[in-house]
Amino acid sequence: DQQVKQNSPSLSVQEGRISILNCDYTNSMFDYFLWYKKYPAEGPTFLISISSIKDKNEDGRFTVFLNKSAKHLSLHIVPSQPGDSAVYFCAATYGGATNKLIFGTGTLLAVQP
Amino acid sequence: DAGVIQSPRHEVTEMGQEVTLRCKPISGHNSLFWYRQTMMRGLELLIYFNNNVPIDDSGMPEDRFSAKMPNASFSTLKIQPSEPRDSAVYFCASSLDWSSYGYTFGSGTRLTVV
Repeated sequence: DQQVKQNSPSLSVQEGRISILNCDYTNSMFDYFLWYKKYPAEGPTFLISISSIKDKNEDGRFTVFLNKSAKHLSLHIVPSQPGDSAVYFCAATYGGATNKLIFGTGTLLAVQP
Repeated sequence: DAGVIQSPRHEVTEMGQEVTLRCKPISGHNSLFWYRQTMMRGLELLIYFNNNVPIDDSGMPEDRFSAKMPNASFSTLKIQPSEPRDSAVYFCASSLDWSSYGYTFGSGTRLTVV
């Protein structure tokens, strides 16, 4: 049972335009969400996160939006750069005495020069 | 800081053989995680440890998989016997403690079982 879903396996955008990556979750207990970025032959690296008490978090070119009623979050990258080309994983967790992250299947972003 | 170190980077083995993957977490990190990456399931949590104690192994697919953390600086994931469907990239990650979501991942071990 995939609790965190990324329904778009891939996305292609032009340099300078906006990239929007989407993520859906099924477990209403999730209260903290993260995005990780992965380059080929490397491990994923943390990008940005958001708590369920917020609906938006911004860090430079990256903004994450959370819609709790729809159980949906999205990552916006503006403007997109060729160096942003990577696989992006959405992850979720629930509080309490655990830091276990549940990851999605990933979306491959290709930013065309 | 050398980061999370995994070995080997690549492993090719024959079906039925035993495979051992190794991980050295960041010094001072008390949580360690083993994930498996496949196209179909993405990053799948296999098992995680806090202070060297296994906390949740519900993601371990079968009894053929086992993991140990004999001390704070070393962990192994063993598959015995290996099968072609075990072919995947296996990642180890560590974090400061049970309240930290900022994982540091290793570069992974690409396992191919033929």
